[in-house]
Amino acid sequence: EVQLLESGGALVQPGGSLRLSCAASGFTFRSYAMSWVRQAPGKGLEWVSAISSSGDSTYYADSVRGRFTISRDNSKKTLYLQMNSLRAEDTAVYYCAKDRGGDDFYADDYWGQGTLVTVSS
Amino acid sequence: DIQMTQSPSSLSASVGDRVTITCRASQSISNYLNWYQQKPGKAPKLLIYAASTLQSGVPSRFSGSGSGTDFSLTISSLQPEDFASYYCQQTYSTLTWTFGQGTKVEIK
Repeated sequence: EVQLLESGGALVQPGGSLRLSCAASGFTFRSYAMSWVRQAPGKGLEWVSAISSSGDSTYYADSVRGRFTISRDNSKKTLYLQMNSLRAEDTAVYYCAKDRGGDDFYADDYWGQGTLVTVSS
Repeated sequence: DIQMTQSPSSLSASVGDRVTITCRASQSISNYLNWYQQKPGKAPKLLIYAASTLQSGVPSRFSGSGSGTDFSLTISSLQPEDFASYYCQQTYSTLTWTFGQGTKVEIK
């Protein structure tokens, strides 16, 4: 059974940093691209970042580029999101998600339960 | 960046109704379009990828169509468990992927 378990969400002050983790199990982690998607309270989904299966390629939304860094450790089957210079507008539930794989049509077929990041003084 | 615009933002419908949600891209995205369903307090669920391919395990009452800039998600006969929010997502761009703003399907 595919499982994705996010952790690391917390209350942090504006300008602060936080690292989210997503522990994966139930599939060959090293073979799949992964993403982070967030959802502010009462709002819609916002794609944040993605990383290739090897970790060689990374992609970011304009709203986080230069502040957030996605990475992965395939030996530990874990996805990370390092978030720096946090702003109030970064407050959201952060989901990690797994690509369905197999072709060029990227889509997230499994999602974690989410971890809440609150940026406030 | 490619912008995705869904319509309507919300709709009210009855069990058994045929429901269609549309999604328009600001430029051609071929068929790199996904649809997700999200229920309150839950993670999103993939319904359709590549504009019209049904994800494994998703009921056949869901269907997707479109190519280029105009896409639609249709629920042929709305069931009680389908009351949720629906999001389209483009994955055509090589740099960033974007979601539509969402459509909330409510009970009439």
